[in-house]
Amino acid sequence: RKEVEQDPGPFNVPEGATVAFNCTYSNSASQSFFWYRQDCRKEPKLLMSVYSSGNEDGRFTAQLNRASQYISLLIRDSKLSDSATYLCVVIFNTGGFKTIFGAGTRLFVKA
Amino acid sequence: DTAVSQTPKYLVTQMGNDKSIKCEQNLGHDTMYWYKQDSKKFLKIMFSYNNKELIINETVPNRFSPKSPDKAHLNLHINSLELGDSAVYFCASSSGNTIYFGEGSWLTVV
Repeated sequence: RKEVEQDPGPFNVPEGATVAFNCTYSNSASQSFFWYRQDCRKEPKLLMSVYSSGNEDGRFTAQLNRASQYISLLIRDSKLSDSATYLCVVIFNTGGFKTIFGAGTRLFVKA
Repeated sequence: DTAVSQTPKYLVTQMGNDKSIKCEQNLGHDTMYWYKQDSKKFLKIMFSYNNKELIINETVPNRFSPKSPDKAHLNLHINSLELGDSAVYFCASSSGNTIYFGEGSWLTVV
């Protein structure tokens, strides 16, 4: 089982739609969680951290479920500019911190 | 004023050649990385340096040799390039848990 797994998609949604991605992780010692965004032929950039209590940044909501070992990202009122690949990132400590990137979920928002 | 800059951005070279990619960060971070993103888009760490010291060396062929002359620079030298080395190589640096990536170097081996 991969350490971090995501549905690769692609998710094709119309503008204004609400879309959600999940990401599962296998290591229960995982400590920190993030969502990164990667545009086509660009570098990944931090979108938001994921906190145990859940957190929201505008149209984006991230949640963590430690019991089931998954994190989620919800995008409301999708914009064309949201089209990108969303990477789930997990940091765990096994004698040293290790950062694992998921393979990403591709989102296409169409007019 | 690019935070993490790497050169070259594009590189096409023949099998068997030796090439280098340079990376510099002006963020004052202590930790720098090299990541490889292959055609399937998996982003995998190759090396991590903290204050010029190697702290992570994943299972990478020893044809890949990183060098950190100071904590603001982390270069990657690749010997005897193979077709399978074709990928995007991202340099990155971090402070705390946030990773800042360079724009990537697109390496194509023909």
